[in-house]
Amino acid sequence: RKEVEQDPGPFNVPEGATVAFNCTYSNSASQSFFWYRQDCRKEPKLLMSVYSSGNEDGRFTAQLNRASQYISLLIRDSKLSDSATYLCVVEEGGSQGNLIFGKGTKLSVKP
Amino acid sequence: DTGVSQNPRHKITKRGQNVTFRCDPISEHNRLYWYRQTLGQGPEFLTYFQNEAQLEKSRLLSDRFSAERPKGSFSTLEIQRTEQGDSAMYLCASSPRNEQFFGPGTRLTVL
Repeated sequence: RKEVEQDPGPFNVPEGATVAFNCTYSNSASQSFFWYRQDCRKEPKLLMSVYSSGNEDGRFTAQLNRASQYISLLIRDSKLSDSATYLCVVEEGGSQGNLIFGKGTKLSVKP
Repeated sequence: DTGVSQNPRHKITKRGQNVTFRCDPISEHNRLYWYRQTLGQGPEFLTYFQNEAQLEKSRLLSDRFSAERPKGSFSTLEIQRTEQGDSAMYLCASSPRNEQFFGPGTRLTVL
């Protein structure tokens, strides 16, 4: 079983749509969770950390379900500039910050 | 620019040659990580430094790979006797605690 699994997409949505990405992870000892955004041929950039209580940053909402080992990212009112690959990232349990990345979900927002 | 920097940005080499990459982290970050990313995959952890100490190494890091961070500031990653399978983007990240900030990467092509 892969450690972090995501639907690779692509998700093709119109501007203004709401889109949700899901991710599951296998290591129950993991303590830190993140969503990163990666544009084509660029480095990953931190989008947001994910907290047990759920957290929101503008149009982006992240949620964590530890019991189900499930993480989600919701993007509301999507913009053309949201087009990118979204990487679900989990800190390796028992490590010193080593991150385990999913393969990413590709989002394409169309006018 | 006070972000993570990496040099060179691109490297083309012939099979069997040695290559060395450099990473300059954000100055106040004591943690430094190396990752490798191939097309269609998320980054994969290679190794981790806290200050000058190399604390973790992935099984991906074969004997041909060596990394150093001699003064706890910049780091180098050397690959000896390169193979075509080493072709990838090599990413460096630095971190003050949990969140990691990535450099632009060095894209290695082994002919």
